[in-house]
Amino acid sequence: AQSVTQLDSQVPVFEEAPVELRCNYSSSVSVYLFWYVQYPNQGLQLLLKYLSGSTLVKGINGFEAEFNKSQTSFHLRKPSVHISDTAEYFCAVSDTGGFKTIFGAGTRLFVKA
Amino acid sequence: DGGITQSPKYLFRKEGQNVTLSCEQNLNHDAMYWYRQDPGQGLRLIYYSQIVNDFQKGDIAEGYSVSREKKESFPLTVTSAQKNPTAFYLCASSITGVENSPLHFGNGTRLTVT
Repeated sequence: AQSVTQLDSQVPVFEEAPVELRCNYSSSVSVYLFWYVQYPNQGLQLLLKYLSGSTLVKGINGFEAEFNKSQTSFHLRKPSVHISDTAEYFCAVSDTGGFKTIFGAGTRLFVKA
Repeated sequence: DGGITQSPKYLFRKEGQNVTLSCEQNLNHDAMYWYRQDPGQGLRLIYYSQIVNDFQKGDIAEGYSVSREKKESFPLTVTSAQKNPTAFYLCASSITGVENSPLHFGNGTRLTVT
């Protein structure tokens, strides 16, 4: 069975500081990995998705994620955050069929001035 | 612009009443999904449909029902059998037959049952 663990429920950070949101997954089969962002009272938007062959994935809004197969991790990073990055971030994994996407519990990023 | 429209944005109902949430997409996607979101629990899959006139239960289907009579539409009914229906409901769609195709989400319906 697949599962996703987001290690931090909340991450407060000052504007222009770097941030890392941690995600670990478990699966017995090949998976596809995603990060989504959710602004208040809205749906989720895709930030980035893992494509096989490259461990570093670049997404929108300056975010990137590093896939580490040996540690089964897919941590999200941004070198310098803005106030507008304040949102909830979800790590997700789906199987090769794609119909069962499992989401982590989410990490609330709070950027302070 | 293509997208997913969920209506209404806010919905209030009395306990014991069934309520139907609307979801329409014009992305021409074959697959559609309903998720429930509760604080601190991420998203949990209620139902999904890979094609018209076919749907499957997700992880928390009890107390919910769906239909898929048209490709564009996937309404969700929250029945009186659902023990704790107050939540944020998200509809999504995706392309089928394409590896690692992401989900596209609507802006959700917040249901409050008192």
